[in-house]
Amino acid sequence: QKEVEQDPGPLSVPEGAIVSLNCTYSNSAFQYFMWYRQYSRKGPELLMYTYSSGNKEDGRFTAQVDKSSKYISLFIRDSQPSDSATYLCAMGGNNRLAFGKGNQVVVIP
Amino acid sequence: GAVVSQHPSWVICKSGTSVKIECRSLDFQATTMFWYRQFPKQSLMLMATSNEGSKATYEQGVEKDKFLINHASLTLSTLTVTSAHPEDSSFYICSAPTSGSSTDTQYFGPGTRLTVL
Repeated sequence: QKEVEQDPGPLSVPEGAIVSLNCTYSNSAFQYFMWYRQYSRKGPELLMYTYSSGNKEDGRFTAQVDKSSKYISLFIRDSQPSDSATYLCAMGGNNRLAFGKGNQVVVIP
Repeated sequence: GAVVSQHPSWVICKSGTSVKIECRSLDFQATTMFWYRQFPKQSLMLMATSNEGSKATYEQGVEKDKFLINHASLTLSTLTVTSAHPEDSSFYICSAPTSGSSTDTQYFGPGTRLTVL
């Protein structure tokens, strides 16, 4: 089993829809959970950072962490064409940082 | 947020030549920086951890003599791809944690696209 599993997609949604992304992990030592957005040919940009189970909201973005199930999610409300990008989950802890493969999202106008 | 820059943003070189990529933390000091490689539609693959004032730590399978890393100051790390070959063509990205912890928030540079002919 890979340390971090993320379905690479692609995921196509119409503008205004809710985008739902998720990752699962196997290492219980992970304590920090992050979501990055990466546009084509650009470096990843930090979107959300959390270290506890529950929800964290920032504008149209909500990050959800369930440590008991080893499952994290990212929700994007009222999706816009500018949200079209690859979204990577990342997890850190015990001096390790692991990334998911990235999930390509396309928001269709 | 913290800013990390990379230079150059893209480079094309002939097979057998060496290429140097710079990574700078612009508004914070970074005792540790990380170098990643990303192939098309793949995730980030950690190559090495760059430590200011000491030797870099390389991931398994990464040739340290081929990918030379120098972290000479608290704001600059360089990656030199020596004797580059077409299979080294990739997107190279550096990152730095603002707190110094390797597992804390990483801020990434914009990446350098290397094409070896």
